[in-house]
Amino acid sequence: GAVVSQHPSWVICKSGTSVKIECRSLDFQATTMFWYRQFPKQSLMLMATSNEGSKATYEQGVEKDKFLINHASLTLSTLTVTSAHPEDSSFYICSAREAKRPYNEQFFGPGTRLTVL
Amino acid sequence: AQSVAQPEDQVNVAEGNPLTVKCTYSVSGNPYLFWYVQYPNRGLQFLLKYITGDNLVKGSYGFEAEFNKSQTSFHLKKPSALVSDSALYFCAVRDESGGSNYKLTFGKGTLLTVNP
Repeated sequence: GAVVSQHPSWVICKSGTSVKIECRSLDFQATTMFWYRQFPKQSLMLMATSNEGSKATYEQGVEKDKFLINHASLTLSTLTVTSAHPEDSSFYICSAREAKRPYNEQFFGPGTRLTVL
Repeated sequence: AQSVAQPEDQVNVAEGNPLTVKCTYSVSGNPYLFWYVQYPNRGLQFLLKYITGDNLVKGSYGFEAEFNKSQTSFHLKKPSALVSDSALYFCAVRDESGGSNYKLTFGKGTLLTVNP
């Protein structure tokens, strides 16, 4: 149990276009979803936290108009990178938490590699 | 505030030798501690966690970690390293109180290379 999927696994887009990444909890209800960004050979940096049905909470320095997060259901959250630029190229990882599980563990998706040309 | 330090960017060991990947943490309350492994272009794989109870925690693939409250450490260990253990390892901490919406804070990662 506790499987999180991401789609797509990789995407290449042109500068100026928008890209949507999906994060799904396959066998549990994700009360909270987290979006992370990881640059090559670096750690995961939390971008935002989203609770189902409410607005996402963004970390300091993350542009909320640039990285749109929607958590419309208990099994799906989306991250849209708007007007993407080459500096947005990165590995994006989501995780999900189910409120009723003990210790509020996070379960991680496999990640999405975004390359902006 | 919570933080994690992984003092070594890289650890090299010979196959068959024991390995240790170091982690120290800082939280205001009681810590929940985690180790994850990441292979190239892959997401995080959970290895083990410390929540409460025995200080020695056993996890996946023969890994274990020892929680040391006085030294605020949670070092990852394996008695006999395999070449296939070569990967990037992350330590993470969360405050037990659940403040800040259960956010995890990650260390910068340690690249483990096991030489045949």
